[in-house]
Amino acid sequence: DTGVSQDPRHKITKRGQNVTFRCDPISEHNRLYWYRQTLGQGPEFLTYFQNEAQLEKSRLLSDRFSAERPKGSFSTLEIQRTEQGDSAMYLCASSLAPSPAEGEQFFGPGTRLTVL
Amino acid sequence: DAKTTQPNSMESNEEEPVHLPCNHSTISGTDYIHWYRQLPSQGPEYVIHGLTSNVNNRMASLAIAEDRKSSTLILHRATLRDAAVYYCILAQGGSEKLVFGKGTKLTVNP
Repeated sequence: DTGVSQDPRHKITKRGQNVTFRCDPISEHNRLYWYRQTLGQGPEFLTYFQNEAQLEKSRLLSDRFSAERPKGSFSTLEIQRTEQGDSAMYLCASSLAPSPAEGEQFFGPGTRLTVL
Repeated sequence: DAKTTQPNSMESNEEEPVHLPCNHSTISGTDYIHWYRQLPSQGPEYVIHGLTSNVNNRMASLAIAEDRKSSTLILHRATLRDAAVYYCILAQGGSEKLVFGKGTKLTVNP
């Protein structure tokens, strides 16, 4: 299966520590998205890349969050000085469609972060 | 961001059709109607999308009202594997994000 993969699947960390998550999109997809999902809520958009360029960031993405997509392939999401409110599922999605409106996004299984 | 309204939960019996409603009275002319579903402990999965006309694919059918202010996702024969949270989303033309609500939790009874 060559779907979207995310690593790790689960991460437990202590408050104040830094964490980094990786997303490998479907290989030919030029668009890559990060979302965050808390319990009982739908996913919330965090940021979007087209190839290596980060073109949109949500207000949810505070200064402690940084995302990269070097060479337009895999992406990393880093959270510095984690807080308990960062506990959530972090989802990555990729797409080849000309825009999200016109096609589907393929989601990975997510990384569940627990901040103690 | 355009908003949608869905029931919090619905129940169905296995092998019966399921009609999941969605209201989007503030829809604009360039908004596409998307449906995704999320099975327990998985990422969301695309189901179907449309603009004005009804759409069919192997998973489901999408019926769009003539005024586009509401739509219905139709699962023709529910199976236990269809138990999931179903999200109705308006994807704005030119926007790069999907805005999810809380969705409808579908329970399928054997």
